[in-house]
Amino acid sequence: GAVVSQHPSWVICKSGTSVKIECRSLDFQATTMFWYRQFPKQSLMLMATSNEGSKATYEQGVEKDKFLINHASLTLSTLTVTSAHPEDSSFYICSAKVAGAYEQYFGPGTRLTVT
Amino acid sequence: QKEVEQNSGPLSVPEGAIASLNCTYSDRGSQSFFWYRQYSGKSPELIMFIYSNGDKEDGRFTAQLNKASQYVSLLIRDSQPSDSATYLCAVNTNTNAGKSTFGDGTTLTVKP
Repeated sequence: GAVVSQHPSWVICKSGTSVKIECRSLDFQATTMFWYRQFPKQSLMLMATSNEGSKATYEQGVEKDKFLINHASLTLSTLTVTSAHPEDSSFYICSAKVAGAYEQYFGPGTRLTVT
Repeated sequence: QKEVEQNSGPLSVPEGAIASLNCTYSDRGSQSFFWYRQYSGKSPELIMFIYSNGDKEDGRFTAQLNKASQYVSLLIRDSQPSDSATYLCAVNTNTNAGKSTFGDGTTLTVKP
C-alpha cells in the first residue's frame, strides 16, 4: 500500500518551454501533497503544499507564477514549470499524505534537464 | 541554528555492526519525527516514524525519541552493505498539516 507515482521519470526540455509533472497516489486518497526540489548532494527543499480543491501554499522564495501547482482530485497533483531555464534543472519529488496520518509517502521523482 | 541538524558524515561501519544516526531539532513544539533512507539518485523512502518518547523498533531499525533533550536517533542493527545510503531526519510541528522540515542527511557506508 501507500504507493505514489510520478510521470515522467525524466524529461529534457528546451529553455523557455513549459513542463508538466504529474503525481498520483495509486492506492489511497491524498488530502495533502507536497512538492520538493533537490539539487545534487543537497537536501530536500519544500516548494509548496497542495491540498485538494484549494490553492497551493508556496514556501518563501518559490515563485508561484513559475511553478504552477494544481491538486484537482484526491489522487492527482500536477506541477508545471513554466518558461523553464537551465537553473530549473533539478530532481523534483512529490509526496502525499492522508488527513490525520503522521507519515507522507514519496513518489520516485522526476529528473528535469533544461537545455 | 538549523531547525533540524544531522551530522553529515560520512559514517562508516563494518558489516554486522550497529550504525547510530543522530538528529537534533530546535522547535520544542515538534510533534512527530521521521527517518527516511535515500539511495543516490532515488527519492526518499520512509523507514519509520515516532511521536512518543522512548524507543520504537521495527525489524533491524530502532528509533529513539527524547523530547526533553530534543533529539531523535536511529539505530540500525546488523548493518548490511545495502543499508549504505543517506538517512534523512524529518520533523513535523503540526501533524495535521503534515509539513516536514528535513535535515541535510547523514551518509552511511557499510563496508563488507
